[in-house]
Amino acid sequence: SAVISQKPSRDICQRGTSLTIQCQVDSQVTMMFWYRQQPGQSLTLIATANQGSEATYESGFVIDKFPISRPNLTFSTLTVSNMSPEDSSIYLCSVDFGYEQYFGPGTRLTVT
Amino acid sequence: AQSVTQLGSHVSVSEGALVLLRCNYSSSVPPYLFWYVQYPNQGLQLLLKYTSAATLVKGINGFEAEFKKSETSFHLTKPSAHMSDAAEYFCAVSGQGAQKLVFGQGTRLTINP
Repeated sequence: SAVISQKPSRDICQRGTSLTIQCQVDSQVTMMFWYRQQPGQSLTLIATANQGSEATYESGFVIDKFPISRPNLTFSTLTVSNMSPEDSSIYLCSVDFGYEQYFGPGTRLTVT
Repeated sequence: AQSVTQLGSHVSVSEGALVLLRCNYSSSVPPYLFWYVQYPNQGLQLLLKYTSAATLVKGINGFEAEFKKSETSFHLTKPSAHMSDAAEYFCAVSGQGAQKLVFGQGTRLTINP
């Protein structure tokens, strides 16, 4: 299994600003994933991040809005740029660990 | 492409009663199927997974699920509900192992004393 931590756990931000979310894993993993969970909704995959390469974004998500870094095998960041109230969501990172995906506790973002 | 439909956004059962949460999937390739649980203000915890081995899968906390290809279903059951089972449950499908999960809309399970 893998233990995943995220920072911050929650934040309240002003529209037009940016927030960077950190994800730390206790083991080296090849693939990390970022998901968005809008209020009362299910999870939607934003992008897949492999170490040493550009992140792969899902339809409807773009790098300018959600830039991702993956500097090593245990860490990744997701930035939510130029935020609007519609970006208020829980953002979760996860890792693929042998036919299982493990999730972090999430970052609850509120944009005012 | 893969998709998941969870029948019933809210299920309520009495403590000690059978829990049945329904999940139907669509997949263009042999699927990998997962059930996750999300407790309030927490991340997702894997309950169980189907990876083309045994069709009846046993998971944690007394839950199990049966893969039925003919019905494209992967329903989650537990014989006797506990108050601690109250949470949101998500079914997910992937055509690539545990990568690129596609989630259903979730089912909120309420347990009545």
